[in-house]
Amino acid sequence: GAVVSQHPSRVICKSGTSVKIECRSLDFQATTMFWYRQFPKQSLMLMATSNEGSKATYEQGVEKDKFLINHASLTLSTLTVTSAHPEDSSFYICSAREAGRWETQYFGPGTRLLVL
Amino acid sequence: DAKTTQPTSMDCAEGRAANLPCNHSTISGNEYVYWYRQIHSQGPQYIIHGLKNNETNEMASLIITEDRKSSTLILPHATLRDTAVYYCIVVNSGNTPLVFGKGTRLSVIA
Repeated sequence: GAVVSQHPSRVICKSGTSVKIECRSLDFQATTMFWYRQFPKQSLMLMATSNEGSKATYEQGVEKDKFLINHASLTLSTLTVTSAHPEDSSFYICSAREAGRWETQYFGPGTRLLVL
Repeated sequence: DAKTTQPTSMDCAEGRAANLPCNHSTISGNEYVYWYRQIHSQGPQYIIHGLKNNETNEMASLIITEDRKSSTLILPHATLRDTAVYYCIVVNSGNTPLVFGKGTRLSVIA
């Protein structure tokens, strides 16, 4: 199957700093990428839908000014957690759909963020 | 709102078939049934999907009832590495994102 990578795999930062997470589709072009967040012992929660070359669509309750999403190319989307606080500590997972092939959504390995 | 209902947890003996049920009684005609699984601290992994007919691939089989209100994912010979949370998701075509419910935590026991 298609491969989606995320970088970094884990990050620890101080409260108030910003953290950027990259999501790359390695062997296919992704017109649409999705960002999810998962707290311990909970399911994945959709944060936003990212379309290449346009603004992201955020789910209700997700602050677009806090979670900045950029999808500048067909293989890269970035999520920046601005002014991170301890409550932002979570497992962030991206996924991507191949251009012209909507059937399957491929997920990255996730990024574990710990804000001290 | 959850579109699917799954048991919270299940156990299965290693080497035996694991049958994971899913109810989706409000599924509409253009919605597909997808199954993903998530092994601890990893991203979800695609398993299989179907619309009306039963499907089989190298990982599993998907049995969809004739009225499409429920389905069963079958892992024919479960191994310890199949221990994971299994998610049954209904979604229509296009750019609709996958919305995850709570899933079924499958424990394969030696």
